Amino acid sequence: LAKTTQPISMDSYEGQEVNITCSHNNIATNDYITWYQQFPSQGPRFIIQGYKTKVTNEVASLFIPADRKSSTLSLPRVSLSDTAVYYCLVGALSSNTGKLIFGQGTTLQVKP
Amino acid sequence: GAVVSQHPSWVICKSGTSVKIECRSLDFQATTMFWYRQFPKQSLMLMATSNEGSKATYEQGVEKDKFLINHASLTLSTLTVTSAHPEDSSFYICSARDRGTRGFTEAFFGQGTRLTVV
Repeated sequence: LAKTTQPISMDSYEGQEVNITCSHNNIATNDYITWYQQFPSQGPRFIIQGYKTKVTNEVASLFIPADRKSSTLSLPRVSLSDTAVYYCLVGALSSNTGKLIFGQGTTLQVKP
Repeated sequence: GAVVSQHPSWVICKSGTSVKIECRSLDFQATTMFWYRQFPKQSLMLMATSNEGSKATYEQGVEKDKFLINHASLTLSTLTVTSAHPEDSSFYICSARDRGTRGFTEAFFGQGTRLTVV
């Protein structure tokens, strides 16, 4: 299972763009990269998933370089409600039985 | 979209008693479910993989006799914390996979169960 490394914490201000980078040097060919958001006392919530290049949805963008050894979650114009822990996970999600191992996550604090 | 529901959301029990936590996939069938535990200010730690109709697979260091897992149907897995002690107080979260509305397989998580042992 590919191990992930993220910054432990980040601070930002409302309205700014936030980029959180995750390293996954031993990612496997069939692994996808998925980011989750977790608020206190809640289960993680899906943000975005990608395999290569760039993926964008209504809440975030995910940038993946050609070697796929890292990825960057980009949150445009954050608000106070984006204060949460963000997890980068790597795994073969094509399988319903594959384990997902959480790394330490990045605690994002958005200030007014 | 796919929903995973846990019950109860929180529970307080006396030391030495057992507590059962339910995890249900509400609109899909899950042959495999995953149980995590999360202590304050820490990440989710995978405890075990629950397999429908067979024994659960436990991660290293997790006591299978302490944390009993039953996956009797395709929509229900239960985690029973036996002879609970204060150190078992934690946030327990279950997860299951399904092909969501986005067209690819996603991991869906329950809302978690806060267990406090007094």
